[in-house]
Amino acid sequence: QKEVEQDPGPLSVPEGAIVSLNCTYSNSAFQYFMWYRQYSRKGPELLMYTYSSGNKEDGRFTAQVDKSSKYISLFIRDSQPSDSATYLCAIGGNNRLAFGKGNQVVVIP
Amino acid sequence: DTAVSQTPKYLVTQMGNDKSIKCEQNLGHDTMYWYKQDSKKFLKIMFSYNNKELIINETVPNRFSPKSPDKAHLNLHINSLELGDSAVYFCASSPTRGSNSEQFFGPGTRLTVL
Repeated sequence: QKEVEQDPGPLSVPEGAIVSLNCTYSNSAFQYFMWYRQYSRKGPELLMYTYSSGNKEDGRFTAQVDKSSKYISLFIRDSQPSDSATYLCAIGGNNRLAFGKGNQVVVIP
Repeated sequence: DTAVSQTPKYLVTQMGNDKSIKCEQNLGHDTMYWYKQDSKKFLKIMFSYNNKELIINETVPNRFSPKSPDKAHLNLHINSLELGDSAVYFCASSPTRGSNSEQFFGPGTRLTVL
């Protein structure tokens, strides 16, 4: 079983829709939960970071963690064309990050 | 500009050649990493150095050899390149070695092996 599973299927949504992305992880020793955003031909950059179960909001973005189910989610409200990117979940533990495969999101104007 | 920089940005080479990719960070971070991202966007850790000391060495062929001359630089040398080495290689750095530490990525080096 991979450490982090993220369904890599591309996602196309109309502008203004809610985008929902999620990952599962296998190792309960992982304690830190992040979402990175990667624009085409660029390096990933940190979007959201949390270490506890529950929700964390930052503007139009909400990160949700359920440690009991080993499940994390990212929601993007009122999606914009500028949100078109690949979103990678990252789970931290044992001095390293394990990344999911990434979801390519396309927001259509 | 404060950042993580990598050279070259693009590298096209023949199978069997030896090549190097350089990485520099001027963020004052202690820890640096090399990642490989395949065509399906899967980002996989290869190596990590903390203050010039190797701390993570994932299952990577020994044709890949990282070198950290100082804590601001982490270079990657690849011997006897193979077709399967074609990928984008990202260098990253973080303030500390802890997994709670944000990692800052360079722009990537797109390696194509013909």
